[in-house]
Amino acid sequence: DSGVTQTPKHLITATGQRVTLRCSPRSGDLSVYWYQQSLDQGLQFLIQYYNGEERAKGNILERFSAQQFPDLHSELNLSSLELGDSALYFCASSVRPLREQYFGPGTRLTVT
Amino acid sequence: DQQVKQNSPSLSVQEGRISILNCDYTNSMFDYFLWYKKYPAEGPTFLISISSIKDKNEDGRFTVFLNKSAKHLSLHIVPSQPGDSAVYFCAASARETSGSRLTFGEGTQLTVNP
Repeated sequence: DSGVTQTPKHLITATGQRVTLRCSPRSGDLSVYWYQQSLDQGLQFLIQYYNGEERAKGNILERFSAQQFPDLHSELNLSSLELGDSALYFCASSVRPLREQYFGPGTRLTVT
Repeated sequence: DQQVKQNSPSLSVQEGRISILNCDYTNSMFDYFLWYKKYPAEGPTFLISISSIKDKNEDGRFTVFLNKSAKHLSLHIVPSQPGDSAVYFCAASARETSGSRLTFGEGTQLTVNP
């Protein structure tokens, strides 16, 4: 158990819908990262927050957004969902940038 | 542009023997490297890391070697155990440019046979 929690574990929704994925980092970790793992793309970095502020952005679609709250939990919002958004979404945390990242169990999103 | 590559999709070894997993990178800005292990339906689990100022880091049965001139790193597992069977990802980050995002390789499926 990495100490990073993600909810929900599974999510099935229809195209065009909007979903919110939630992540609670390990106690004491200030950095939160979101990654997407799809079958043909491997693990891809989406976005990073550090102590509530956006720190780095990867190949995150404009339909996706995220935020980190004062209690350090983070949410990833995915809107106007398409079939191709079906993937595993992982959250990771680290005590600060440039240190080891610890991953949560992931949320499996299926868009039908 | 695949900046981190694991050219072997799979590796099979006998229990007790050494497992060697390889990883190559192209971005010379990478200065921190990590190995993760992943079981099905779980998130990646951090195994071991190495900074670019070192060429070797050891933690129990796991040793990571870094050859900066060749832009190559490897993970040695000795002795291999059946419980080590998983997908292994190498990952890299660049301090200067990317806010410590990790760039992952495609993964190598390790199977340790009893």
